[in-house]
Amino acid sequence: EAGVAQSPRYKIIEKRQSVAFWCNPISGHATLYWYQQILGQGPKLLIQFQNNGVVDDSQLPKDRFSAERLKGVDSTLKIQPAKLEDSAVYLCASSTGTSGFFYNEQFFGPGTRLTVL
Amino acid sequence: QKEVEQNSGPLSVPEGAIASLNCTYSDRGSQSFFWYRQYSGKSPELIMFIYSNGDKEDGRFTAQLNKASQYVSLLIRDSQPSDSATYLCAVTGSARQLTFGSGTQLTVLP
Repeated sequence: EAGVAQSPRYKIIEKRQSVAFWCNPISGHATLYWYQQILGQGPKLLIQFQNNGVVDDSQLPKDRFSAERLKGVDSTLKIQPAKLEDSAVYLCASSTGTSGFFYNEQFFGPGTRLTVL
Repeated sequence: QKEVEQNSGPLSVPEGAIASLNCTYSDRGSQSFFWYRQYSGKSPELIMFIYSNGDKEDGRFTAQLNKASQYVSLLIRDSQPSDSATYLCAVTGSARQLTFGSGTQLTVLP
């Protein structure tokens, strides 16, 4: 079974430029997550999709970040314009869903390392 | 106060020793507790989860949960150099979304 795919793996941009990241979850996984992991910190949830609907985007800086998941499969995360503090690894994860009490394991992609100069 | 707190380390143990990693959380409504391992430059991978008070063992790993003290720990027995990584504690509340700690860096010395 193929894992979560992300591209690009690395990106270097200057501040005020825009950037987009792509994620392809594990086939059949209804739930997709975008996390931001700053060096030395744990991942922070930015947005969670269930199929193509947003479940939680409370920590997404909506003035500059946007995300979409068309047709409930692939997703893109965009930053426009980028700031120095956006330098981080952006992780995509997917799971089968969040039903009932039990947790559905999240599988992480390899991440995109963004450097903003 | 951070929602999930861990000692950042680094924690160094000799090969074959027991490594003890600790985590406290602030939300008494937290329901599920997880330990992820993250090798340098890699993505997190789940190694243990626990829902109930007490101990849960899986091979060389034991997770311990004390909800009254809002404390969860991970013990790694017979530590190996391949266990050297950052260990992330994560919890979920009623929303079933993961909140991660900052991680503890573990080094196992040959």
